[in-house]
Amino acid sequence: QKEVEQNSGPLSVPEGAIASLNCTYSDRGSQSFFWYRQYSGKSPELIMFIYSNGDKEDGRFTAQLNKASQYVSLLIRDSQPSDSATYLCAVNTGFQKLVFGTGTRLLVSP
Amino acid sequence: DADVTQTPRNRITKTGKRIMLECSQTKGHDRMYWYRQDPGLGLRLIYYSFDVKDINKGEISDGYSVSRQAQAKFSLSLESAIPNQTALYFCATSDRVGPINQPQHFGDGTRLSIL
Repeated sequence: QKEVEQNSGPLSVPEGAIASLNCTYSDRGSQSFFWYRQYSGKSPELIMFIYSNGDKEDGRFTAQLNKASQYVSLLIRDSQPSDSATYLCAVNTGFQKLVFGTGTRLLVSP
Repeated sequence: DADVTQTPRNRITKTGKRIMLECSQTKGHDRMYWYRQDPGLGLRLIYYSFDVKDINKGEISDGYSVSRQAQAKFSLSLESAIPNQTALYFCATSDRVGPINQPQHFGDGTRLSIL
């Protein structure tokens, strides 16, 4: 089992819809969880981070964490074509390092 | 100016050559990292450093070495490049605040091709 798993996609949603991106992780000791957005050929850009169970909202983005289920998700409301990118989930493994998932490709159609 | 600067941005070289990728940062962060990214494999950690005197191997350190010349500079070397080291390389930095990992901030990347 991979340490951090994401569906590779693509996840296709129409403009204005809610995009839901999911990530599961294997290390129960993980404490920090991050979502990055990466456009093709560009560097990862931090979108959200979450440390505690529950929801954290920032503009159109909401991160959700459920440590009991070892699950973290990212919701993007009012999706825009400019949101089309690969979204990387990253999890702190307890050794002060991040482990990245392979990413979910999101396509938002006009 | 970018907070995390990588040079060169692109490099094409031949098998067996020695290559150095450089990373400098103006964020004042203690922690620096080198990753490579390959299609379908995601970001994999090569080396990381928590301060000038601290160097640690990551998941895929074989064939690579690093040098932390100063708090702001962290270089990655390929002593004898081979074609399967062709990849996109990223440098990242993070702050040291409290016990929980702080977010990592990435440079623009170096696209390395080894023929």
